Amino acid sequence: QVQLVQSGSELKKPGASVKVSCRASGYIFSTYAMNWVRQAPGQGLEYMGWINTNTGNPTYAQGFTGRFVFSLDTSVSTAYLQIDSLEAEDTAVYYCARSTVVREVAHFGYWGQGTLVTVSS
Amino acid sequence: DIQMTQSPSSLSASVGDRVTITCRASQSISSCLNWYQQKPGKAPKLLIYAASNFQSGVPSRFSGTGSGTDFTLTISSLQPEDFATYYCQQTFTSPFTFGPGTKVDIK
Repeated sequence: QVQLVQSGSELKKPGASVKVSCRASGYIFSTYAMNWVRQAPGQGLEYMGWINTNTGNPTYAQGFTGRFVFSLDTSVSTAYLQIDSLEAEDTAVYYCARSTVVREVAHFGYWGQGTLVTVSS
Repeated sequence: DIQMTQSPSSLSASVGDRVTITCRASQSISSCLNWYQQKPGKAPKLLIYAASNFQSGVPSRFSGTGSGTDFTLTISSLQPEDFATYYCQQTFTSPFTFGPGTKVDIK
């Protein structure tokens, strides 16, 4: 069965970096795009962007350029989200979610369990 | 970017009630609209994709309609496990924006 397993919670100081992993299993990793979604405490879902798992090409939503980097290690079927120069406002749960396209319409049928990143001095 | 709005932002309902949530897109998105349910501390769960298609395993009391800019999610008879927050999402064009959510709680 399809599973997305994310790395554990992180506590970081402002200015540090964090790298969140999302390990996929149960399907061919390179055949489905991987998306990233942020949820700040008590807030809604915010789409961060996606990475083409075949080419490695990332696409970032507005507001997630510069400090945010999507990457892959296809040898271990894992997607990564790195956030540099962390700010308190980056405190959130970060989710990976796999896209599926049916009749040209994408949806997110599989999600990781979420990784809480806390930025605090 | 396409903006998504939802109404109401929250509602209180009783078990057995019929509940309708509305989602509106800032421009036409054809049928590229998904609905998710999220419970506290959990990842979102896909309920409906492409406006009206059931995700496998989702109870038939959930249904989705609409196309263009206006969409609805209906729960025909609210069950205790349905108390949650519901989000719509457009996947017509990237970035795949979410609505702000509708929280359904117990009256």
